[in-house]
Amino acid sequence: GAVVSQHPSRVICKSGTSVKIECRSLDFQATTMFWYRQFPKQSLMLMATSNEGSKATYEQGVEKDKFLINHASLTLSTLTVTSAHPEDSSFYICSARLVDYNEQFFGPGTRLTVL
Amino acid sequence: KQEVTQIPAALSVPEGENLVLNCSFTDSAIYNLQWFRQDPGKGLTSLLLIQSSQREQTSGRLNASLDKSSGRSTLYIAASQPGDSATYLCAVGGTSYGKLTFGQGTILTVHP
Repeated sequence: GAVVSQHPSRVICKSGTSVKIECRSLDFQATTMFWYRQFPKQSLMLMATSNEGSKATYEQGVEKDKFLINHASLTLSTLTVTSAHPEDSSFYICSARLVDYNEQFFGPGTRLTVL
Repeated sequence: KQEVTQIPAALSVPEGENLVLNCSFTDSAIYNLQWFRQDPGKGLTSLLLIQSSQREQTSGRLNASLDKSSGRSTLYIAASQPGDSATYLCAVGGTSYGKLTFGQGTILTVHP
C-alpha cells in the first residue's frame, strides 16, 4: 500500500515550452501533496505544499507563476513548469501524505531536461 | 530555520560490516524524523519513521534512534550487503502537516 506514481518519468522539451507533471496516490487519499526538486548530487528542496481544493503554499524563492500547482482531487496533484528554461532542468519528486500515519510517501520522480 | 546535517557525506565499507550514519538537526521542536533510501536516478524509499515521542524504530537490519534534546538521530545498518549501496537521507518533520527538511545525504558503498 501507500504507492505514489508520477508521470512522465522523463521529459525533454525545448526552451519556452510548458511541461506538466502528474503525481497520483494510487491506493490512498492524500489531502496534502508536496513537490520537491533535486539538483545533481544535492538533496531535496521543498518547492511547495499542495492541499486539495485550495491554493498551494510556495516556499520562499519559488515563483508561483513559474511553477503552477493544481490539486483538484484527493489523489492527483499536477505541477506545470511554464516557459521552461535550461536552468529548470532538474529531478522533480512529489510526495503524498498519509494522514493517519503522518508519513510521506514519495513518487519515483520526473527527470526534466530543457534544451 | 531548521537545518539538517548528515555525517559522513560518503562511506565505503566491506560487506558484512555494521555501520552508523549520523543526522543532526538544529531545532529540537520536531514532529517526527524519517530515514529514506535513494538509488541513483530514482525516487525515495521510506525506511523508518520515528515520531517525536519515540526513541527508536527497527526494521530488519535497520535501527534508527532519536535523541530530540541533543538534536541527533542515527541509522544503524547491521551486516551490510552490496545491495545496501545507495544514498541515505534523513528528513525532519517540523509540523503536524508534514513539511520535511532534508539533510544532504550519505552516499553508502558496500563492496563485496
